[in-house]
Amino acid sequence: TQLLEQSPQFLSIQEGENLTVYCNSSSVFSSLQWYRQEPGEGPVLLVTVVTGGEVKKLKRLTFQFGDARKDSSLHITAAQPGDTGLYLCAGELRVSGGYQKVTFGTGTKLQVIP
Amino acid sequence: DAMVIQNPRYQVTQFGKPVTLSCSQTLNHNVMYWYQQKSSQAPKLLFHYYDKDFNNEADTPDNFQSRRPNTSFCFLDIRSPGLGDAAMYLCATSREGGFTYEQYFGPGTRLTVT
Repeated sequence: TQLLEQSPQFLSIQEGENLTVYCNSSSVFSSLQWYRQEPGEGPVLLVTVVTGGEVKKLKRLTFQFGDARKDSSLHITAAQPGDTGLYLCAGELRVSGGYQKVTFGTGTKLQVIP
Repeated sequence: DAMVIQNPRYQVTQFGKPVTLSCSQTLNHNVMYWYQQKSSQAPKLLFHYYDKDFNNEADTPDNFQSRRPNTSFCFLDIRSPGLGDAAMYLCATSREGGFTYEQYFGPGTRLTVT
C-alpha cells in the first residue's frame, strides 16, 4: 500500500500554463518535503513544510501543507521548460524509538513544452 | 562546496558478477541512505545507516548489502546482479538532530546488467 499518492502521475503542458500537483495520504506527517529530479540526476530539495496550513513560495512555485498535515500541493505559475522533471513529495513520520521515517510519494512527471 | 558524490556515474556489469557502488559525502551527516529507482518511479529505500547502525528495509533482497567504514563513505554491494537489478542507485544523506530529515542526494549511479 502506497502511503503517499501523487496526482497527476504525468502532466504535459505548454509553456506559460499553470499547474498544480497534489500529494495525499491518510497519515499525519511531522513534515513534508518536495523534490525535483531531472533526468539522469538525483532529486534536489525544493522546500520543507512543517506547520499545518503553511504556505511557502519559491519564485513561481507555491507549496502548501494541509491543515491536518496529511496532504500537500505544489502550484507552478507560468510554467517554463526548465520546470520539466519528476516532482516527488516525501513525508516524515515519527516511528518508535524516536526515529523519523521518510516515505516518498509516487511521483509526478512534468513536461513543459516550449 | 559540501556535497554527495557517487562513483561511478555509469556502471555496466554482467549477470551474476558482483558489483560495488560507492558514495561519499562532505556534509558530515550522520545518516546515509541507499535507494533504488527505476524509470521515473519514486526512489525505493533499500537501507540506511544511522551513524553505524544499519537498518534494512523488510523487502530489500539479501542480494543487496552495504558497508559504512566511516562517516564519509558508504558502499552498496550487489552480490549477484540480475537483470531486474538494472536501475539508478541513489545515495542520500541527512542530519539527525535537525528539525527535519531533509535529504541531500548524490547524482546517482546508473547500473546496467548484461
